[in-house]
Formats: sequence, C-alpha cells, structure tokens
Amino acid sequence: KAGVTQTPRYLIKTRGQQVTLSCSPISGHRSVSWYQQTPGQGLQFLFEYFSETQRNKGNFPGRFSGRQFSNSRSEMNVSTLELGDSALYLCASSRGLAGAPTQYFGPGTRLTVL
Amino acid sequence: QKEVEQDPGPLSVPEGAIVSLNCTYSNSAFQYFMWYRQYSRKGPELLMYTYSSGNKEDGRFTAQVDKSSKYISLFIRDSQPSDSATYLCAMSPPNQAGTALIFGKGTTLSVSS
Repeated sequence: KAGVTQTPRYLIKTRGQQVTLSCSPISGHRSVSWYQQTPGQGLQFLFEYFSETQRNKGNFPGRFSGRQFSNSRSEMNVSTLELGDSALYLCASSRGLAGAPTQYFGPGTRLTVL
Repeated sequence: QKEVEQDPGPLSVPEGAIVSLNCTYSNSAFQYFMWYRQYSRKGPELLMYTYSSGNKEDGRFTAQVDKSSKYISLFIRDSQPSDSATYLCAMSPPNQAGTALIFGKGTTLSVSS
C-alpha cells in the first residue's frame, strides 16, 4: 500500500508571498492532519480534515488554511508569508474513526521563507 | 508548563545498550500514548502506541505508561546504529473530535558501533 505523499518536497518563497502545499493520504484514509515542525517549537498541530470538513483546528493565525477534496487529498495554504513560517510542514493520514488515533506521516514539505 | 515535556538530549550510547526515553505530561485525561521515530529529513514513523496505563512490547521496543505519575517511557533493547534517530512521544487529548496529537519536542538518540 502506498504511503502518504507530499508535494513539493522543498519550496523557497519570499516574505509576503503565498504558498500551497499538497498531501495525498493512504488509500482508504479519510482524515488528513497538518502539522508544522520547527526546531524551537517542535511539532504543532495546524488542522484536521475529515470527509472534506475541517473537524479540528490548532492555534495558528488565519493565514493558515486548508481544504480537502472528495478523494481525500488535501491542500494547505499559507498567505502573506512571514520569516517565522519557515518550517517542515507534515501531513498525516488516518482512518479518522473512533479508537486509537494512529496517524501516518508523509515526508514533509520544507518551506524556506526569505 | 508545556503539556508534554521531553528531554531533547542528545543521548549517545554504544551498540547493544538498553536505551530509556521518557516523557512527562500534565493533562491527566490523555488516553492514547504514542511513540514516533524520525530519521533526518524524513517524516515521523509510528513505532507503537498504548492505551491508558500498562506495558506494550514489540520486538526490541517496550512502551510503558504510568498515568499516576503522568510519565511514559520507551525502552529499546540491544540498540543498533540504525536506531539513531529522533524519538517523539505524542498523546491524544480527550474530548475532541478528530485526531489532534500533542507531541514532545523529541529526543535525539545516537547509537555508535
């Protein structure tokens, strides 16, 4: 079974620009969660989508948004980029049902904001 | 106080050593406790999870949860150089729809041959 894929793997942007990251979950998984990983803060939860609906949201500004499509693929958008947005962005997929919240991560997109 | 605390290390051990990795947490309502391994430039890989208190063993890995002390551990027996990675603990908050995990910052482990 194919794992979680994320594109692109690397991105370089400048302050003020916007960026869109893409995630394809494991086949059959309906939940996609997004996390930001930085050396200072570690892994922080951004939001989770299940069946095209945002089901949970972390404590990030509104510049961070996402969506999920009917095939469970998800995109994350960051508008008006700031230097502090430089991070590894990880998506994780799961079945999203009751029980153990086992999540499977993709390789991440490394975003550098100059 | 952060919800999940994890000593960042680095932790350096010789091949064959028993490794103990630990996390403490403050929210007594956490129900699921997970351990992830992350190699450099890769995404985290789920190693194992436990529900509530107790032990769980999988090969060379043993996870322990002590809810009374709000303390979880991952033991690695007969450590190998391939175990060199960052180990992240993660916990599932209660009363939330969806699967938001709260992570420790990770402990970097180096196993030398």
